[in-house]
Amino acid sequence: KAGVTQTPRYLIKTRGQQVTLSCSPISGHRSVSWYQQTPGQGLQFLFEYFSETQRNKGNFPGRFSGRQFSNSRSEMNVSTLELGDSALYLCASNTGQKNEKLFFGSGTQLSVL
Amino acid sequence: GENVEQHPSTLSVQEGDSAVIKCTYSDSASNYFPWYKQELGKGPQLIIDIRSNVGEKKDQRIAVTLNKTAKHFSLHITETQPEDSAVYFCAALSGGSYIPTFGRGTSLIVHP
Repeated sequence: KAGVTQTPRYLIKTRGQQVTLSCSPISGHRSVSWYQQTPGQGLQFLFEYFSETQRNKGNFPGRFSGRQFSNSRSEMNVSTLELGDSALYLCASNTGQKNEKLFFGSGTQLSVL
Repeated sequence: GENVEQHPSTLSVQEGDSAVIKCTYSDSASNYFPWYKQELGKGPQLIIDIRSNVGEKKDQRIAVTLNKTAKHFSLHITETQPEDSAVYFCAALSGGSYIPTFGRGTSLIVHP
């Protein structure tokens, strides 16, 4: 069974630009969660999508948004990038029933210059 | 909401020693406690988990213990090996929630 795939692996952007990250979950998984990981803050929850609907949302500004398609693939978008957005963005998939066992991708490393 | 504290932030041991990482949680409704291991350049991977109706669980060299009364749980790694070097995250999940709360992570370094 293929794992969670995130693309691209690395991104370099400048302040003010926008970026879109992609996540393909494990086949059959209907829940996709997004996390921001930075050295000082650990894993910060962004949002979770289940069956194309945002089911849960963390405490991030509206510049961070996402969506989920009918095949469960998900994208997250960050508009008007700031230096502080530099981080590893991880997505995790799950069946969606209880979200107990999360399967993470390798992440997208975003650098904002 | 739930708050999970994890200690220590860094742990350095010699190969063959034991390592213990401790976490405390605040929400008495939490009933599922997973541990994730993140190796360099990879995403976190679930290595062991425990539910609130169990006090201890073992899987080869790793074990997790849970004290519901004190609201703390620990990861124990025996006979550590260099490949155990990674960042370990604990988490807690309430029965009414779909989103686990993670600790800030422990960087384990095993010296050969």
